[in-house]
Amino acid sequence: AQSVSQHNHHVILSEAASLELGCNYSYGGTVNLFWYVQYPGQHLQLLLKYFSGDPLVKGIKGFEAEFIKSKFSFNLRKPSVQWSDTAEYFCAVSSISSNNDMRFGAGTRLTVKP
Amino acid sequence: DADVTQTPRNRITKTGKRIMLECSQTKGHDRMYWYRQDPGLGLRLIYYSFDVKDINKGEISDGYSVSRQAQAKFSLSLESAIPNQTALYFCATRDRVNTEAFFGQGTRLTVV
Repeated sequence: AQSVSQHNHHVILSEAASLELGCNYSYGGTVNLFWYVQYPGQHLQLLLKYFSGDPLVKGIKGFEAEFIKSKFSFNLRKPSVQWSDTAEYFCAVSSISSNNDMRFGAGTRLTVKP
Repeated sequence: DADVTQTPRNRITKTGKRIMLECSQTKGHDRMYWYRQDPGLGLRLIYYSFDVKDINKGEISDGYSVSRQAQAKFSLSLESAIPNQTALYFCATRDRVNTEAFFGQGTRLTVV
């Protein structure tokens, strides 16, 4: 079955540490990939997206993600996290093979200690 | 005003009651989605619609129904609410295939 997997359930980092959150998907064919962030008590907001072209995508607030087609992965990175990055992060996939619906991973909760 | 508006924002209802959650959007998007969010499970797709005449089941449609009254309105109904439908519900819209989704503020539903 088509799915989106996020490996880390809860990540705790100190400020200035580097971040990498994993995302793998099992869809075939062409995919559109997204990372969303949900700050406490708020709705989801787009961090970055990949549709085609350069597999290294830069988003808002210093986040970036790399699409590795051979690994079916779209990992999120940030070189130096801040306390304000504390939030829940969701990977999402949309594909023609799944009727263009949009499916989400289970999310990774990031806690950044000041 | 928000582009995607959900009403109500919070609701407590009793087991067995019928409840409707409403979503309206001003973005002019064709595609609308309903998700529920549960801790540790992320967002799971309930139903989605690509236009007024096109309704599709998502991952967890059992116990739910939807109505696409107009391009801008997409309602989610629980015909007979049960406690395990207690969750945070989000509506989202998308324009075309390769665009991101825009989310409403969410509806927190508690079934007692």
